[in-house]
Amino acid sequence: DSGVTQTPKHLITATGQRVTLRCSPRSGDLSVYWYQQSLDQGLQFLIQYYNGEERAKGNILERFSAQQFPDLHSELNLSSLELGDSALYFCASSPRGISDTQYFGPGTRLTVL
Amino acid sequence: SQKIEQNSEALNIQEGKTATLTCNYTNYSPAYLQWYRQDPGRGPVFLLLIRENEKEKRKERLKVTFDTTLKQSLFHITASQPADSATYLCALAGGGNKLTFGTGTQLKVEL
Repeated sequence: DSGVTQTPKHLITATGQRVTLRCSPRSGDLSVYWYQQSLDQGLQFLIQYYNGEERAKGNILERFSAQQFPDLHSELNLSSLELGDSALYFCASSPRGISDTQYFGPGTRLTVL
Repeated sequence: SQKIEQNSEALNIQEGKTATLTCNYTNYSPAYLQWYRQDPGRGPVFLLLIRENEKEKRKERLKVTFDTTLKQSLFHITASQPADSATYLCALAGGGNKLTFGTGTQLKVEL
């Protein structure tokens, strides 16, 4: 158990809908990272927040957005969902920045029908 | 463009042998490189980090080497066991303050 929690575990929705994925980092970790993993793309970095502020951005679509709240939990919002958004979404946390070990949560499996 | 390459073909080895996985990269000058293990449907788990000024790092049955001239890291598991079967990912810190992962190599250790 990494100490990172993600909810929900599974999510099934329809195209065009909007969903919110939630992540609670390990106690004391200030950085939260979001990744998308699909079969053909591997683990793709989406975005990083550090202590409430956006720190780095990867290949995140404009339909996706994230935020980190004062209690350090984070939410990833996915809107206007398409079939291709079906994937595993992982959250990871680390004490500070990317030079630290990242601790991954169990993931949310999103299926868009 | 920046690229991280791991052998996409699964590596099958016999129990007790040493498994060696390769991570090659281009157009990176990483300050460090990390290796993670991932089991099906689960999040990656950190194994080892090696810095650019370190040639080799060990942890129990694991050994990582880092050759910045060849732009390559090798990951070794000695005395492999069926429980070592998993996908192994290398990750580099590239530009833009982000960690980029390779696509991973699946290792299968057979009895």
